[in-house]
Amino acid sequence: GNSVTQMEGPVTLSEEAFLTINCTYTATGYPSLFWYVQYPGEGLQLLLKATKADDKGSNKGFEATYRKETTSFHLEKGSVQVSDSAVYFCALRRFSGNTPLVFGKGTRLSVIA
Amino acid sequence: ETGVTQSPTHLIKTRGQQVTLRCSSQSGHNTVSWYQQALGQGPQFIFQYYREEENGRGNFPPRFSGLQFPNYSSELNVNALELDDSALYLCASSLEAADNSPLHFGNGTRLTVT
Repeated sequence: GNSVTQMEGPVTLSEEAFLTINCTYTATGYPSLFWYVQYPGEGLQLLLKATKADDKGSNKGFEATYRKETTSFHLEKGSVQVSDSAVYFCALRRFSGNTPLVFGKGTRLSVIA
Repeated sequence: ETGVTQSPTHLIKTRGQQVTLRCSSQSGHNTVSWYQQALGQGPQFIFQYYREEENGRGNFPPRFSGLQFPNYSSELNVNALELDDSALYLCASSLEAADNSPLHFGNGTRLTVT
């Protein structure tokens, strides 16, 4: 079946540090890949997405590249801020029909000043 | 543009009771999905409604049921509540029930079952 595995947290970084959150997936066919962010007390917000191999999604300084050969979609940011503290979820959605999002377990990021 | 709104924000119920959670979809969206997010876990798909019909369901028992209304708002009903039903319930709407239609999530309803 379809599944997403992401690195366990929590991840604690100092402000301006480099961030990588690893995400790998298992899926039939060619899924679309997503990163969602959940700030305390809020729902999920779409951070970025990629719909085919070698696509790079980017938003707010975050980037992730769809790597079909390694079935990965790692999230990166060059310089994190305190305001980036949140839980990050990697997710996939199979490219056919009315299919739901399949999420990883989430990675909590804490950025300290 | 009004986003996805859910009510109530918090709810406490006793084991064995029934609960109804509500969701208003974003303006113009005709598809609503419900997800359950247990503490420390990623959201798990419960079901999806498209034009008032259920058109997809995850691995949840029949005591989880739903409705979608003509205005595309939706309800999630859970009967015979169990302690493990304690979770954040997220509603998401999208423009169409298609893979590339992005989901817009509400802030969720936090259900506690005691």
